[in-house]
Order: sequence, then structure tokens, then C-alpha cells
Amino acid sequence: DADVTQTPRNRITKTGKRIMLECSQTKGHDRMYWYRQDPGLGLRLIYYSFDVKDINKGEISDGYSVSRQAQAKFSLSLESAIPNQTALYFCATAGQGGRDTQYFGPGTRLTVL
Amino acid sequence: GDSVTQMEGPVTLSEEAFLTINCTYTATGYPSLFWYVQYPGEGLQLLLKATKADDKGSNKGFEATYRKETTSFHLEKGSVQVSDSAVYFCALSDPNSGGSNYKLTFGKGTLLTVNP
Repeated sequence: DADVTQTPRNRITKTGKRIMLECSQTKGHDRMYWYRQDPGLGLRLIYYSFDVKDINKGEISDGYSVSRQAQAKFSLSLESAIPNQTALYFCATAGQGGRDTQYFGPGTRLTVL
Repeated sequence: GDSVTQMEGPVTLSEEAFLTINCTYTATGYPSLFWYVQYPGEGLQLLLKATKADDKGSNKGFEATYRKETTSFHLEKGSVQVSDSAVYFCALSDPNSGGSNYKLTFGKGTLLTVNP
């Protein structure tokens, strides 16, 4: 079984709808991250969390919110989806220490019509 | 702030050719450097990393050396295969940037296509 899982893998929705993307991990890591990937822009950080009570905005948090329900679960919400949020979304986890590798989930492809 | 610049693609090579993908960085502290690979339809996987100057990361025939004097971490492979076709991302993690952030800063990615 994969260490970092994301659901759904693909989602098509309409403008104005609320969408939740979920991430679960079995690595026992405290740190979790949400990124979005757009062609030609690489990956950009949306939110990150160092533990259940510690949530921080990344460079592109506007229009998104997150919830860290447990150490192993970190969900990303789009309260009112808009077309320019169409992207590939990745969850990642990392252990303690500033130099630890981040481990990525398989991604969720979101299309907002 | 921290930044990563990698060569723009796409890069197209024939099988068994030599590969170099350039990566340079700007950081306030002493970052760790990474190369991640994304195969078609998949998430990112760590390819290799280096945590201090002059370290060489290596994996699957790929190598990269942490060059502090030139702030570079170029990816090389002596003989590429069709199965190496993927997008390659250079990234850094700088624990000294703005406190205990431990975030990854990515380059924009380089698409590599290897033809038989």
C-alpha cells in the first residue's frame, strides 16, 4: 500500500462548488503539505502543517483552506471553486528535521468548469 | 527569498546520450538540495539529494554534486534510457529561511524525452 494517498484522483466540478481533497499518510510524519502544479510553473506551496495544531499559509493560499484532522490526515478545501484553480494538486509529508525528504502522494487532477 | 532556476525544456535525447540538466539556487542559509522526478501520470519521487557542500547525490545512474561556490546542483547521467523520460525538478530546503519553515522551493521542471 502507498504511504501517501490522495482522494479523489480526478475530479471535475463547476464554478462556485465546494470541493474537498483528502490526504492520508501511514509514514507517521508530523509535517504535511499541499502543493499545486501548473504547467511551466513547477510546484507552489498552498498550506503546510507541522502538527495538528500548527497550520501555516504558503505562497498561494488565497481561495483555499485546510484542516488537519489527525496526524495522518490533511485535507484541502476550495470553498467556491473557480476555473483558474484547475490544476494538479499534491500532498506531501516529511519527518522531523529541516533536511528531511518530502514524500509525495500520487496527485489529484482537478478541473473547474 | 529562496529560489531555484533550472534549465528550460523540453530536452530531447537519443538513447545512450549524455544528459545534463542545469540547476542553480539562491538561499539565505545552507540548504539541502534535491532532484525529484515525475514520471507520466504519477506523483513526484525523490531521485537524489545532497545536504552539504561537495556532497554528491546519486541514484539510478544519475548524479549531482552540491557546489556551494557556484550555487549549483546540476543533474547528470552518462547514458539515458527511454525509461528516463519524465519531468525533473530541482528543489531546495532551507531550514534557516524565515525560521523553522522546512519548505521545499522548486524549480519549474524540465521535461526530458528519450527516443529509442
